[in-house]
Amino acid sequence: GEDVEQSLFLSVREGDSSVINCTYTDSSSTYLYWYKQEPGAGLQLLTYIFSNMDMKQDQRLTVLLNKKDKHLSLRIADTQTGDSAIYFCAEGNAGNNRKLIWGLGTSLAVNP
Amino acid sequence: ETGVTQSPTHLIKTRGQQVTLRCSSQSGHNTVSWYQQALGQGPQFIFQYYREEENGRGNFPPRFSGLQFPNYSSELNVNALELDDSALYLCASSSPGYGYTFGSGTRLTVV
Repeated sequence: GEDVEQSLFLSVREGDSSVINCTYTDSSSTYLYWYKQEPGAGLQLLTYIFSNMDMKQDQRLTVLLNKKDKHLSLRIADTQTGDSAIYFCAEGNAGNNRKLIWGLGTSLAVNP
Repeated sequence: ETGVTQSPTHLIKTRGQQVTLRCSSQSGHNTVSWYQQALGQGPQFIFQYYREEENGRGNFPPRFSGLQFPNYSSELNVNALELDDSALYLCASSSPGYGYTFGSGTRLTVV
């Protein structure tokens, strides 16, 4: 069945780069998303990538997609304390754009 | 451009009661999806509405129902509330080819 997996925790020092990884199983995924959720808040779309792309860069964020291995990563450069949050990976299918399949989220802790 | 607005933000209900949650979609978005997020979990898809019709449903019982109105706003109704229904309920609006914009959610507590 469809599944998305992420490591649950990541701790980095302020100023370092953070890399959050995600694997998925649905080979027909068309869109892959990264969302950020701060405590008690909703989900904020950070970025998304189409499955025919290998990389997307947006300011401090770099998304890498290895479609062969079904592996997605989010790199945050110069991580700040304000980046502390839970980061969710989600995948969707343009042909079945009725739902997103989500990972459990990676809790990023940024230490001063 | 307004974002997605959900109401109420917090709600406490008793087991067996019924609840209605509301969502106003982002301007220009014609699709609304509802998700349930239990504590420490990722969101789980409940259902999606497109142009006032249900357009996909997740693994939730029939006591979870919804509506979409001509202005694309939406309601989620849950009957016969159970303790396990306690969760953050998230609404997301979208249009084909665009990402989902989420509201801040409604925190439902069933006691």
